[in-house]
Amino acid sequence: QSVLTQPPSASGTPGQRVTISCSGSSSNIGSNTVSWYQQLPGSAPKLLIYSNNHRPSGVPDRFSGSRSGTSASLAISGLQSEDEADYYCATWDDSLNGRGVFGGGTKLTVL
Amino acid sequence: QVQLVQSGSELKKPGASVKVSCKASGYTFTSYAMNWVRQAPGQGLEWMGWINTNTGNPTYAQGFTGRFVFSLDTSVSTAYLQISSLKAEDTAVYYCARVRSGSTEYSYYYYMDVWGKGTTVTVSS
Repeated sequence: QSVLTQPPSASGTPGQRVTISCSGSSSNIGSNTVSWYQQLPGSAPKLLIYSNNHRPSGVPDRFSGSRSGTSASLAISGLQSEDEADYYCATWDDSLNGRGVFGGGTKLTVL
Repeated sequence: QVQLVQSGSELKKPGASVKVSCKASGYTFTSYAMNWVRQAPGQGLEWMGWINTNTGNPTYAQGFTGRFVFSLDTSVSTAYLQISSLKAEDTAVYYCARVRSGSTEYSYYYYMDVWGKGTTVTVSS
């Protein structure tokens, strides 16, 4: 059972806009910033969004993040076939003397 | 360029030990903490803990105390994960990841900006 809750799956057709949610609590998302990671099949995770809504250089602006209260969202616009991957949210949790926490992951399928 | 190069796959028998290495290059090793993350087959990412590369002080997540040890050799910019008394359920891909963290006026930020490619550890008799 992950500390952060994500839907197990999401899907969209090429060109569509898809959002993936990440729900937490006051001790994690409610207090600290959220990051998002993309994991392509057979590859290591890659940082997609940090500090809620910042993109590292090289990440297309089709990817955007937001946070409100104890929830966060990742939006992907202009969906492309290469976006098919697993997506994870993560943050710091202030409980238990502090720890990193991940969501359970969302498998995005491009139909 | 900034990169983390991990050691190769390991096949071990139950009860044995394994040591995974993560060699950093392209940045000052002691300026950033290092995370370890586990991914069991077909499962999600699990935070194992991190090590302060400046002091060598490790922090372990619940479930990763006792048999798991994080260590460093700063002379070669390398972090290590050692797992002892291996069990079948330790079979997983283990990732090291560089940590960016700190406090702003409003909140604490924490994320992993550079990842190793992962080391597959298989425990089987």
